[in-house]
Amino acid sequence: NAGVTQTPKFRILKIGQSMTLQCAQDMNHNYMYWYRQDPGMGLKLIYYSVGAGITDKGEVPNGYNVSRSTTEDFPLRLELAAPSQTSVYFCASSYSLVNEKLFFGSGTQLSVL
Amino acid sequence: AQSVTQPDIHITVSEGASLELRCNYSYGATPYLFWYVQSPGQGLQLLLKYFSGDTLVQGIKGFEAEFKRSQSSFNLRKPSVHWSDAAEYFCAVAAGGGFKTIFGAGTRLFVKA
Repeated sequence: NAGVTQTPKFRILKIGQSMTLQCAQDMNHNYMYWYRQDPGMGLKLIYYSVGAGITDKGEVPNGYNVSRSTTEDFPLRLELAAPSQTSVYFCASSYSLVNEKLFFGSGTQLSVL
Repeated sequence: AQSVTQPDIHITVSEGASLELRCNYSYGATPYLFWYVQSPGQGLQLLLKYFSGDTLVQGIKGFEAEFKRSQSSFNLRKPSVHWSDAAEYFCAVAAGGGFKTIFGAGTRLFVKA
């Protein structure tokens, strides 16, 4: 079982560059999420989606964009990378919104220099 | 607003000793409570969850947690720690009707021989 797959695992960007973090799940989950993890801060929700074509902002959406054209894929776009976006990014999915566990990908370590 | 506090940034335990990781939450009603574990370079994996009923919850890998409403706590315990338990542990809370799972800052567990 693949579960939640994230690519790439590591990336270094220069300030102002753009990139897309890929996320795919094969569990037919409607709900998908993007979190960022900063040292000592836990995980913060960036964006989430409740199904294809439906997305909404989380706690820290500034500087990011998402799309959800299919149930399986939920890419995260950084348009103008800034040093403050240096972080570890996790994609997750769940069967339902609240009372089910989250399935996580293995993360993308992003450095913006 | 809901919040999660993990008072201990890191804890060191000898192999074979017992373990207790603390978690306090802030929420008006009974939330959904989770403990996740993150091994180095990996995503988060669910250890256990509490929704209702018996306040002592059993999870995977020999972990258990106890919900104490009067103390707004959901502490994680294990009677005998193994070296493979060295990881970071996150307590999380999800409020009914909402989409957000809020994570604590995490407690890193070190296991010494």
